[in-house]
Amino acid sequence: NAGVTQTPKFQVLKTGQSMTLQCAQDMNHEYMSWYRQDPGMGLRLIHYSVGAGITDQGEVPNGYNVSRSTTEDFPLRLLSAAPSQTSVYFCASSYGARVGLPEGNEQFFGPGTRLTVL
Amino acid sequence: DAKTTQPNSMESNEEEPVHLPCNHSTISGTDYIHWYRQLPSQGPEYVIHGLTSNVNNRMASLAIAEDRKSSTLILHRATLRDAAVYYCILPFGANNLFFGTGTRLTVIP
Repeated sequence: NAGVTQTPKFQVLKTGQSMTLQCAQDMNHEYMSWYRQDPGMGLRLIHYSVGAGITDQGEVPNGYNVSRSTTEDFPLRLLSAAPSQTSVYFCASSYGARVGLPEGNEQFFGPGTRLTVL
Repeated sequence: DAKTTQPNSMESNEEEPVHLPCNHSTISGTDYIHWYRQLPSQGPEYVIHGLTSNVNNRMASLAIAEDRKSSTLILHRATLRDAAVYYCILPFGANNLFFGTGTRLTVIP
């Protein structure tokens, strides 16, 4: 299993450009999510999905769109990039649809995409 | 919202035990306590989780206070590979793990 994969690893954008960050998992996980991590900070949830066709907003959703057409893929779209979106983006997946489930429901994280918006 | 409080940084000598504390005084009765760690330039990885009882796995042990308002992650013999940021996490809302800023562990050779 490749686990959670993210592409690209690095990206530089100009203000106003749009792009899509790709995330895929091969573990047949129902739950997928996107986080961003700013320097010296913890991770903050952007959007999440509890299954194909279902998405919802996290803590910091503004400026980002997601869709989940398959179980495997969960792309994150930046509509009009801004310097405030300069960050490292992590995708994660887990077996169950609720990460706070009593059984613990371990999340698996991808290696991250480092995005710079000029 | 259930939040956690951790020291910003800790140091440990190599091959000695490390006790990483976490306070979570607003924890609800059904919240599991999760620990993740983030090695330099990598995504977070799961370490351990627990509800009321102390828990052990191959990576670490988790000691949970009787009133569940605090917990301690124990690394029995720190190695250089354990240098990372350790996050003590409670569920936030329906599907969020609130990471906070964690504890940066430095392991001294």
